[in-house]
Amino acid sequence: GENVEQHPSTLSVQEGDSAVIKCTYSDSASNYFPWYKQELGKRPQLIIDIRSNVGEKKDQRIAVTLNKTAKHFSLHITETQPEDSAVYFCAVLGGSYIPTFGRGTSLIVHP
Amino acid sequence: ETGVTQSPTHLIKTRGQQVTLRCSSQSGHNTVSWYQQALGQGPQFIFQYYREEENGRGNFPPRFSGLQFPNYSSELNVNALELDDSALYLCASSLAGENNQPQHFGDGTRLSIL
Repeated sequence: GENVEQHPSTLSVQEGDSAVIKCTYSDSASNYFPWYKQELGKRPQLIIDIRSNVGEKKDQRIAVTLNKTAKHFSLHITETQPEDSAVYFCAVLGGSYIPTFGRGTSLIVHP
Repeated sequence: ETGVTQSPTHLIKTRGQQVTLRCSSQSGHNTVSWYQQALGQGPQFIFQYYREEENGRGNFPPRFSGLQFPNYSSELNVNALELDDSALYLCASSLAGENNQPQHFGDGTRLSIL
């Protein structure tokens, strides 16, 4: 089955800095890569996603890049704010439509 | 647009008991997936339902079972509860199609086994 690794497990930054979270996957047939943000005690919320026919996607301060050859994709958050503090999960889906999630990255943005 | 709703929000059971968790999918969605999320971990896929049939299953034993109803709502049943079943159970709905579609999560049911 699919194997997804997410790094780092914890990321601490100062407000205004950039944050980058990386996920690697094993199945070259995977074609859909969403990112979720989960605040403490709340549901995971989709923040951005990318499909395998696109290399980069941007939405305001958030961007995702995909390297299909190397089988990794990354979440980039610029100009971080304290409200960006949360746990971020990557997920990978392929032809089976069954998602595999990473273990999560706890992002802490210090004011 | 009505989002994904789950009930109950919290539940306490003892070992050996059985539990049923419920999920109403987001309006317009026809696929429901269930996940188990242990503290500090990512969601682990349990199974997915589409057109009232199981459409994929993760690495969970048969005592985890489910149903999907004609209105696309769903139930997760767990028999013979074990201490390790204590977790947040998340339901997510999506619209099945040719391409993978975003999943939208409910707030979850926090299950505690004593």
